[in-house]
Amino acid sequence: GIQVEQSPPDLILQEGANSTLRCNFSDSVNNLQWFHQNPWGQLINLFYIPSGTKQNGRLSATTVATERYSLLYISSSQTTDSGVYFCASEGSGNTPLVFGKGTRLSVIA
Amino acid sequence: GAVVSQHPSRVICKSGTSVKIECRSLDFQATTMFWYRQFPKQSLMLMATSNEGSKATYEQGVEKDKFLINHASLTLSTLTVTSAHPEDSSFYICSARLATMNTEAFFGQGTRLTVV
Repeated sequence: GIQVEQSPPDLILQEGANSTLRCNFSDSVNNLQWFHQNPWGQLINLFYIPSGTKQNGRLSATTVATERYSLLYISSSQTTDSGVYFCASEGSGNTPLVFGKGTRLSVIA
Repeated sequence: GAVVSQHPSRVICKSGTSVKIECRSLDFQATTMFWYRQFPKQSLMLMATSNEGSKATYEQGVEKDKFLINHASLTLSTLTVTSAHPEDSSFYICSARLATMNTEAFFGQGTRLTVV
């Protein structure tokens, strides 16, 4: 099945800095999503982005399906951006999402 | 986006008892729901796929007799942890989709189970 790898595993940023998180996947995908897991464990949907580029405020994401990677950009980071960011993808049909191991982001004031 | 509601959010139970976790799609019908488990500082691992009106499909290594899944309607799937033991303590989270293919998945709030 699909394998998902995320990098870096950990990231510490000064407030106001920008960052790029990467997600590589092993096969063609029909679905690629980015999530932020908050301190209470809830997964917050950030982007549904099997291909192309999307932006939402300070966050944006790009998926290059032909090269099997996706990037999540965080600009002007804030302490509230801290947490774990997961990338997840699925291959075909109504198969479940496979998650990467996540990037643990800490934004310090 | 679509709303998936999971209940309870937190439960503490004694070793040997059973615990039921509910997952509801509030504003859409879901023929398929997925159950994941997450241990501290780890990623989400798929446990099983819940299919409305038929038996669940379990991932390798997940005991179907211990983790009973029932998907009796298009909006409700339940996960029952039977004869719980401390090693079953974990964060359980469900997921559902709007349609059968190529659509965004939404997740419940998760259930933190502690077995004492």
